[in-house]
Parts: sequence; C-alpha cells; structure tokens
Amino acid sequence: RKEVEQDPGPFNVPEGATVAFNCTYSNSASQSFFWYRQDCRKEPKLLMSVYSSGNEDGRFTAQLNRASQYISLLIRDSKLSDSATYLCVVNTQSSGSARQLTFGSGTQLTVLP
Amino acid sequence: NAGVTQTPKFRVLKTGQSMTLLCAQDMNHEYMYWYRQDPGMGLRLIHYSVGEGTTAKGEVPDGYNVSRLKKQNFLLGLESAAPSQTSVYFCASGNREQYFGPGTRLTVT
Repeated sequence: RKEVEQDPGPFNVPEGATVAFNCTYSNSASQSFFWYRQDCRKEPKLLMSVYSSGNEDGRFTAQLNRASQYISLLIRDSKLSDSATYLCVVNTQSSGSARQLTFGSGTQLTVLP
Repeated sequence: NAGVTQTPKFRVLKTGQSMTLLCAQDMNHEYMYWYRQDPGMGLRLIHYSVGEGTTAKGEVPDGYNVSRLKKQNFLLGLESAAPSQTSVYFCASGNREQYFGPGTRLTVT
C-alpha cells in the first residue's frame, strides 16, 4: 500500500463547479499535512497547510480526519486557472531526521470553459 | 527574493558521463532536499540535508551524491549517469513547508 494515496483523476469540471479531492495516508504518526499544486512542467507550489480543525483560504477548504487518516480539499467556484495537478503531502518526522515529506502521485484537474 | 533556484534547467548526458546540479536558496532555511519526479511515481526523495556540512539518504539515493558546503547551496552529483536517471530533478528547502526550485530536466541517452 502506498503511504499517500490519491485518486489520479482526471477530473474534468465546468467553470464555477465545486470539486473535491480526497487523500488517505497510511502512517498514523504523520504530523503535518499539506496540499500542493503543480502546473504542467512546473515545480510544486504550496497551496495550503491542513490543520486538524479544518481551514479555509478563499475558495479552498481543507479538512483532516486523523481517526480515518483522510485529508480532503474542496475547491468552490472553479476557475480556469485552477487547472493543475493537486498533490496531497504528508510529513512524518523520523527521530533525528529532517522533516521528510511524502507526496501522493497527484490528482489532475481540468476546469473547462 | 529569488527563493530557490536551480541550474541548469535542461541537460542531456550520455551514459557514463558525470554532472553536478546546483541548488541555491536565499531563505536561510536549514533543511534542503533533492527529489526526482517520474511519470506515475510522484516525487521521491533522493538525499537531504539538515544543515551546513550534513547530508543524509532519502528513499532513492543510489547513483547520487550530495554536498552542503554552504548553508545556501545544496549540490547533487551523478558520477556515472545511467538511462534510469532520466527524470526531472527538484530541489526544495524549508523548515516545515517546503519550497521548490523550478527543476532540472535531465535526459541520459
């Protein structure tokens, strides 16, 4: 089983739609959680951190369920510019080591006009 | 503020050749990382550093070496390139969240 699993998609949605991505992680000791976005042939960029109480940043809402080891990202009112691959990222800090991130393979989103 | 920069952006090597990828960051981060990204595999950690003068192995370290002589720089070396090392290489830095450089596209023929 992969440490971080995501539905690869692709998700094709019309502009203005609401879309949700899910992610599960296998290591219950995971401590920090993030969503990154990656545009085609570009580097991953931090979209938002995910906090236990859930958090929102404009049209983006992230939620964490530690009991189910599940993370979600909700995008409301999709824009064409939201088209990208969304990476679920989990930090499991091993003793004495750096803050290693484990990346999901990503979910591809295309927002259609 | 340049953030994280990488050189070169593109490179084509023949099998057996060597090269060094340079990563520089201006955010005063202690932690720096090298990843490779292959289709369907996601990002995989090659090596990382927790500070100047330190390095450690990640998930896929074989065939690569690294050095961190200065806090702001992290070098990734391929001593004898193989076709299996054809990939996109990303450097990142960060003490919690990680910030990525633009990547180096390497092809080994």
